[in-house]
Amino acid sequence: SQQGEEDPQALSIQEGENATMNCSYKTSINNLQWYRQNSGRGLVHLILIRSNEREKHSGRLRVTLDTSKKSSSLLITASRAADTASYFCATGPNTGGFKTIFGAGTRLFVKA
Amino acid sequence: GAGVSQSPSNKVTEKGKDVELRCDPISGHTALYWYRQSLGQGLEFLIYFQGNSAPDKSGLPSDRFSAERTGGSVSTLTIQRTQQEDSAVYLCASSFQGARGANVLTFGAGSRLTVL
Repeated sequence: SQQGEEDPQALSIQEGENATMNCSYKTSINNLQWYRQNSGRGLVHLILIRSNEREKHSGRLRVTLDTSKKSSSLLITASRAADTASYFCATGPNTGGFKTIFGAGTRLFVKA
Repeated sequence: GAGVSQSPSNKVTEKGKDVELRCDPISGHTALYWYRQSLGQGLEFLIYFQGNSAPDKSGLPSDRFSAERTGGSVSTLTIQRTQQEDSAVYLCASSFQGARGANVLTFGAGSRLTVL
């Protein structure tokens, strides 16, 4: 079963614009991560935010976490055509163990 | 190796045949995960191995699916009597479970299975 749900399912923007993707989840978590996938193959880890953190930055990426709403957002600033990919959130449980569950993903298309 | 290695990268099989997919994780990584991804969809959790503990098999869709991890390293996912709905990309990931419960997954490139 899927833990996270991303929205929008698909997003198309112009190069230079900002892209915002949202993720909602259902159960208590220890951490939330965002991954990127190109061409339907392996995923690459982007950023991790712990349950006691509210915001985190990495380069052009900004992640927020609201545990009261069980939601997170990923902001990509000044997007580039090379950012075109699918983006997934993933959650780690707060109940012990390391079972990591992924959402359905947001497909981002950045037009040059 | 430097990364997670999966083989074969592509497999075409006939309905009813058995297939084996292999995953060679990063050396020293204690956890190994299998996911399935159908075209244009998210990742469906299948199974997860953590050290010497019993695997979490809660995501396996049917008893036709099984997986083992030998010697705490290489893992094989076996699908018996394949069906057309088994067609998907099967992704393997491994992680080193650090302190405070967070672990970052490193993925292989996946094995694309097509059942005719």
